[in-house]
Amino acid sequence: DSGVTQTPKHLITATGQRVTLRCSPRSGDLSVYWYQQSLDQGLQFLIQYYNGEERAKGNILERFSAQQFPDLHSELNLSSLELGDSALYFCASSVVGQGVADTQYFGPGTRLTVL
Amino acid sequence: GENVEQHPSTLSVQEGDSAVIKCTYSDSASNYFPWYKQELGKGPQLIIDIRSNVGEKKDQRIAVTLNKTAKHFSLHITETQPEDSAVYFCAARSSGLTGGGNKLTFGTGTQLKVEL
Repeated sequence: DSGVTQTPKHLITATGQRVTLRCSPRSGDLSVYWYQQSLDQGLQFLIQYYNGEERAKGNILERFSAQQFPDLHSELNLSSLELGDSALYFCASSVVGQGVADTQYFGPGTRLTVL
Repeated sequence: GENVEQHPSTLSVQEGDSAVIKCTYSDSASNYFPWYKQELGKGPQLIIDIRSNVGEKKDQRIAVTLNKTAKHFSLHITETQPEDSAVYFCAARSSGLTGGGNKLTFGTGTQLKVEL
């Protein structure tokens, strides 16, 4: 158990809908990362937050957004869902994540299925 | 941006044999190279990592080597056991990110199967 928690574990929804994925980092970690894992794209970095502020951005779609709250938990919002958004979404956390390459610990993931 | 290539995509070994997985990266500014193991239905788990100022690191049956000149790094697993069967991912982190971000770029993964 990495100490990173994600909810829900599974999510099934329809095209056009909006969902929210939640992540709680390990105790003491200030940075949160979101990754998408699909069969054709592999593990892709979406976005990183550090202590409430956006720190790095990957190939995140405009339909997707994220935020990190004062208690350091994070939410990933996916809207206008398409079939191709079906994937595993992982959250990771690290102690700092700013200026140094510190270890990222991954959560168990949320499996999103868009029908 | 960074690009990480990983080979082979599948690897089958006999129990007790060694397994080697290789990765190459494109960004010479990359300075951190972790390896993750992912079992079915679970998130990636860090098994070993290496920083660019080190050429080799070992942890029991697992070792990683880094060749900065050639921009490649490898994972070595000795005395493989059935519980080593999983998907292994290499990754690279570039130090050249604006704002000091910590993005990892992952390889495409290697499905390792250890047969009895």
